[in-house]
Amino acid sequence: RKEVEQDPGPFNVPEGATVAFNCTYSNSASQSFFWYRQDCRKEPKLLMSVYSSGNEDGRFTAQLNRASQYISLLIRDSKLSDSATYLCVVIGSRGSTLGRLYFGRGTQLTVWP
Amino acid sequence: NAGVMQNPRHLVRRRGQEARLRCSPMKGHSHVYWYRQLPEEGLKFMVYLQKENIIDESGMPKERFSAEFPKEGPSILRIQQVVRGDSAAYFCASSAGVVQETQYFGPGTRLLVL
Repeated sequence: RKEVEQDPGPFNVPEGATVAFNCTYSNSASQSFFWYRQDCRKEPKLLMSVYSSGNEDGRFTAQLNRASQYISLLIRDSKLSDSATYLCVVIGSRGSTLGRLYFGRGTQLTVWP
Repeated sequence: NAGVMQNPRHLVRRRGQEARLRCSPMKGHSHVYWYRQLPEEGLKFMVYLQKENIIDESGMPKERFSAEFPKEGPSILRIQQVVRGDSAAYFCASSAGVVQETQYFGPGTRLLVL
């Protein structure tokens, strides 16, 4: 089983729409979670960290459900510039995996005018 | 305040040649990670280094691949006798610490093996 699983999409939504991405992780001991964004042929860039209490940054809201080992990202009022691949990332927290990032395959989003 | 730097950005090699990829971490960062992204795939961890030490190389193929992070100078990922399957984007990331520290990525080196 993969460490991080994501629906690859693609999601095609109109401007202004609300879209949600989900991901699941396999290691119940994982402590730190992130969403990264990757534009075509570019490096991943940190979008936001994900905390147990949930966190919001403008139009973006991230949620963590430890019991279900499930992470979500909600984007409200989508903009054309939100078109990218969104990567769910879990950080290794024990022993030999300490510090290692585990990436999902990414969910592709296209926002159309 | 320069970010993570990688060079070259693009590298073309013929089968059997050597590829050397360089990564200079962000100022003040002593932890370096290398990841590989194959076409249409997610990023996969390869190796984690601190200055002069390889901490975890379990994601790196045991043959033909090596990595170092010397006391002075950039981290180097070296691929000997490249094969077509090595064609990928290789990303370097750096962080100031380990657990819960954000990793910042460089622009990547795109290796094409002919």
